[in-house]
Amino acid sequence: AQSVAQPEDQVNVAEGNPLTVKCTYSVSGNPYLFWYVQYPNRGLQFLLKYITGDNLVKGSYGFEAEFNKSQTSFHLKKPSALVSDSALYFCAVRDPGAGSYQLTFGKGTKLSVIP
Amino acid sequence: GAVVSQHPSRVICKSGTSVKIECRSLDFQATTMFWYRQFPKKSLMLMATSNEGSKATYEQGVEKDKFLINHASLTLSTLTVTSAHPEDSSFYICSARDGGGAGTEAFFGQGTRLTVV
Repeated sequence: AQSVAQPEDQVNVAEGNPLTVKCTYSVSGNPYLFWYVQYPNRGLQFLLKYITGDNLVKGSYGFEAEFNKSQTSFHLKKPSALVSDSALYFCAVRDPGAGSYQLTFGKGTKLSVIP
Repeated sequence: GAVVSQHPSRVICKSGTSVKIECRSLDFQATTMFWYRQFPKKSLMLMATSNEGSKATYEQGVEKDKFLINHASLTLSTLTVTSAHPEDSSFYICSARDGGGAGTEAFFGQGTRLTVV
């Protein structure tokens, strides 16, 4: 079975500072990993994904994530946080060998960027 | 990215009535759609997977007779909450994928806030 852990319910960061939202995963094979962002009362917006290749993935709005196979992690990062980045962030995993296209989501991390 | 439109965005209904939520893929054909339920400050709970032209696959613990899913075309899936009760009040989100490989990301609708009074 596949699972995702986001160990932090909330992350607070000052505007202009770098931010990190943590994610670790568990799958039986090679994972497909995704980050989504959700604004209040809205659906999820795709940020970036790791399928294969370069471990550092760049996505929308200046976000990036680094796949670390040995640590089974896929932390989301941004060099300089904006107040508008404040939202709920979800990490998700899909096991391509499982024969299903289902995504398993972490519980979400609320990011608050303080002006 | 691809656009998924979900309607309505908010609905209030009386206990005992039924509510239909639509999920449309606007610029691609969605061979598979997913329906999620999100509780406050909680992650998304997958309710069912909907494949065009076939019966939906429901997750364990989800009542298929209460949450009716129809995926009649490649661009439309509907979720009907039958005989709604206050405990059905929640945020419902659909997502769709265009049939690409497992590395293809899913695109999400904007969600529907259901309140049963």
